[in-house]
Amino acid sequence: GESVGLHLPTLSVQEGDNSIINCAYSNSASDYFIWYKQESGKGPQFIIDIRSNMDKRQGQRVTVLLNKTVKHLSLQIAATQPGDSAVYFCAENLKLGGYNKLIFGAGTRLAVHP
Amino acid sequence: KAGVTQTPRYLIKTRGQQVTLSCSPISGHRSVSWYQQTPGQGLQFLFEYFSETQRNKGNFPGRFSGRQFSNSRSEMNVSTLELGDSALYLCASSGPSGLTDTQYFGPGTRLTVL
Repeated sequence: GESVGLHLPTLSVQEGDNSIINCAYSNSASDYFIWYKQESGKGPQFIIDIRSNMDKRQGQRVTVLLNKTVKHLSLQIAATQPGDSAVYFCAENLKLGGYNKLIFGAGTRLAVHP
Repeated sequence: KAGVTQTPRYLIKTRGQQVTLSCSPISGHRSVSWYQQTPGQGLQFLFEYFSETQRNKGNFPGRFSGRQFSNSRSEMNVSTLELGDSALYLCASSGPSGLTDTQYFGPGTRLTVL
């Protein structure tokens, strides 16, 4: 489903540590995956994406890993900073009848402590 | 390049009224998608417009409708508002070919139905 409950799973990390946020997706036919960051009162902000023909992609301080065998996606944030505190969503692009649909995961709240 | 803009940012309506929300995509983007975000249901896809045509639709009642203009700006309309329509409505735009391009979100319109 595409639910974000009132009680989001929360990952608490110390400033400077590395963070790993996990996401399980549901459709083997999904060909494109995106991570978004949403801060309070703002819309989701694009972080990084990956196509299904890749298993790893790196950005600035972020790395996305894709394991198609177990339908798992992860976002790694290096040297986590207080400004990284937000809700993180993974999204999968699913092709349906010739059209594309973006399906969002439930979201994980990242709390960074000084 | 300016981001996705949405107006108004906040709106208060009463049950039974109707509302129109506006979205201006990133310049050059032809696809506009709308999402509803609530704490209970998360991010749910409403519909997508591409070149003034609705190309994809989520599972929402007919009270939710939209349109896209020749300049790619889009509006969504909700008629006969219900309390459960209170949500953050997000608009996202993507590049020339549509949903497989990265979607960039606006800040959202916070709708409160009393």
